[in-house]
Amino acid sequence: DADVTQTPRNRITKTGKRIMLECSQTKGHDRMYWYRQDPGLGLRLIYYSFDVKDINKGEISDGYSVSRQAQAKFSLSLESAIPNQTALYFCATSDGAGGAGDTQYFGPGTRLTVL
Amino acid sequence: GEDVEQSLFLSVREGDSSVINCTYTDSSSTYLYWYKQEPGAGLQLLTYIFSNMDMKQDQRLTVLLNKKDKHLSLRIADTQTGDSAIYFCAEAAYTGRRALTFGSGTRLQVQP
Repeated sequence: DADVTQTPRNRITKTGKRIMLECSQTKGHDRMYWYRQDPGLGLRLIYYSFDVKDINKGEISDGYSVSRQAQAKFSLSLESAIPNQTALYFCATSDGAGGAGDTQYFGPGTRLTVL
Repeated sequence: GEDVEQSLFLSVREGDSSVINCTYTDSSSTYLYWYKQEPGAGLQLLTYIFSNMDMKQDQRLTVLLNKKDKHLSLRIADTQTGDSAIYFCAEAAYTGRRALTFGSGTRLQVQP
């Protein structure tokens, strides 16, 4: 079984709809992240959480919100989707234990299309 | 702020060596990473190097770090068609909190 799972894997929605992307992990890591990937722009950080009570904005948080329901679950919401939020979204985890603890482990991604 | 730059595309022939380059700006980076993304998949950690090292070798992969020039490279020996993917360089940007900053990715195309 995959250590980091994302649901759904693909989603097509319309402008103005509310969308939630979910991420679950079985690695026991405290830290979780949401990124979006756009062609030629690499990965950009949307939000990150270092534990259940710690939520932080990344470089492109506008138009997004998150919820850390438990250590293993981190959800990303688009309150009112717009077409330029069409992208590939990745969840990642790390244990942050120092040393190479910033190593991040990625889910398979959710492809979101906003029409 | 932190910035990580990579060239967008590299094409090599099967059996040749590939060298993917990356430059970064944050001198406080402690770890630098290489991730691989195959089509339709998430990112997979390939290797990482600690900032006090100059080189790290792992089977066909060699990572070189030039701290003075803030330059990182990934060499893949005997490149195979299965190495075709997008390769991302990333740094652990320590600004009180640790989050990775990724380059835009280099698409490696291996021709038979």
